[in-house]
Amino acid sequence: SQKIEQNSEALNIQEGKTATLTCNYTNYSPAYLQWYRQDPGRGPVFLLLIRENEKEKRKERLKVTFDTTLKQSLFHITASQPADSATYLCAPQAGSSNTGKLIFGQGTTLQVKP
Amino acid sequence: NAGVTQTPKFQVLKTGQSMTLQCAQDMNHNSMYWYRQDPGMGLRLIYYSASEGTTDKGEVPNGYNVSRLNKREFSLRLESAAPSQTSVYFCATRWQEEQYFGPGTRLTVT
Repeated sequence: SQKIEQNSEALNIQEGKTATLTCNYTNYSPAYLQWYRQDPGRGPVFLLLIRENEKEKRKERLKVTFDTTLKQSLFHITASQPADSATYLCAPQAGSSNTGKLIFGQGTTLQVKP
Repeated sequence: NAGVTQTPKFQVLKTGQSMTLQCAQDMNHNSMYWYRQDPGMGLRLIYYSASEGTTDKGEVPNGYNVSRLNKREFSLRLESAAPSQTSVYFCATRWQEEQYFGPGTRLTVT
């Protein structure tokens, strides 16, 4: 069955450093993969989408890579700030693309210390 | 624009009671989804609706029913609540590939 794995341990980094979060998937090949941010007590918020034919996507301080050979996506936040502290969810496409269905990883919690 | 709204925000039920979680959107999106989120687990899809009048099962539909009576509203019903249904429930809509989530309903079944 399709499986998504994100680092379950929290990631603690110092302000100004680059945070790198990992998402691995197995047993299928998604056409695209999304990253969401979730703050405590709130719903997830869409950040970035990368398609299978794209190696890298950037948005301001965020960068996502998609390696379809390794079945892995990396999510980077450069010049991290305490306001970046949140849980980040990886969500590859699932099923047929016209359903819009996603499979969500369990999330990695990032803590940026001032 | 309110986006995606969910009611109630919190609910405590006794085992066997029934209730309906409400979700409404003002973004004119066709697709809507219901998820549950449990500690240490990713969001799991319960049901989804590609358009008004259509619904389909997701990964964990047992114990739930849904209703998509119009484009704006997508409700989730628990006919006989069980402690295993204690969770945070999120409703979402979709525009192209992006999903837009509501604030969630925290449900406890005792």
